Amino acid sequence: KNEVEQSPQNLTAQEGEFITINCSYSVGISALHWLQQHPGGGIVSLFMLSSGKKKHGRLIATINIQEKHSSLHITASHPRDSAVYICAALWNFGNEKLTFGTGTRLTIIP
Amino acid sequence: NAGVTQTPKFRILKIGQSMTLQCTQDMNHNYMYWYRQDPGMGLKLIYYSVGAGITDKGEVPNGYNVSRSTTEDFPLRLELAAPSQTSVYFCASSIPGQGTEAFFGQGTRLTVV
Repeated sequence: KNEVEQSPQNLTAQEGEFITINCSYSVGISALHWLQQHPGGGIVSLFMLSSGKKKHGRLIATINIQEKHSSLHITASHPRDSAVYICAALWNFGNEKLTFGTGTRLTIIP
Repeated sequence: NAGVTQTPKFRILKIGQSMTLQCTQDMNHNYMYWYRQDPGMGLKLIYYSVGAGITDKGEVPNGYNVSRSTTEDFPLRLELAAPSQTSVYFCASSIPGQGTEAFFGQGTRLTVV
């Protein structure tokens, strides 16, 4: 069964701290998405990556295909980063069906 | 561009009622999806469509129907609403292939009482 697991489920940190959220998956994938769900409920795509590393502002996503593991890092965290972060695995290009993790609820305290 | 637009944002239904959740996208994406999000669970795929006139079941299709008469619109129909369908529903769209992201609507919070 294709599964995606995230850790931790909840994370509270002080403003300015370096944040790491982890995602592991059970079998080989074509790509992995990182998504952000705002407190209001909307979901936005942060990254899609198949290998290596991507960076956008203070967000960095990495993936290790051999270890079936991806991480999302946030540098110099800020209260506005408070959200639920979700990883989703794309098993095959072409059918574009995603399997989602349960999310990590991040709270940044000023 | 508006992206993916879902309506309504909130709805309360009585058991046995029916309703249609609307989803439209203006990005000319071939692929569209309906997901439901339950507390503590990852999003689950209800139905998806790879283009106008083509739809297919996802993981949790029971109790739902969809149609895709145009590229832009992908409505989700609930017939005979049940409390188990209380959830937050998300519509999404994408272009198939490497390097593409998925675009999500704002969600519809549905409560069946």
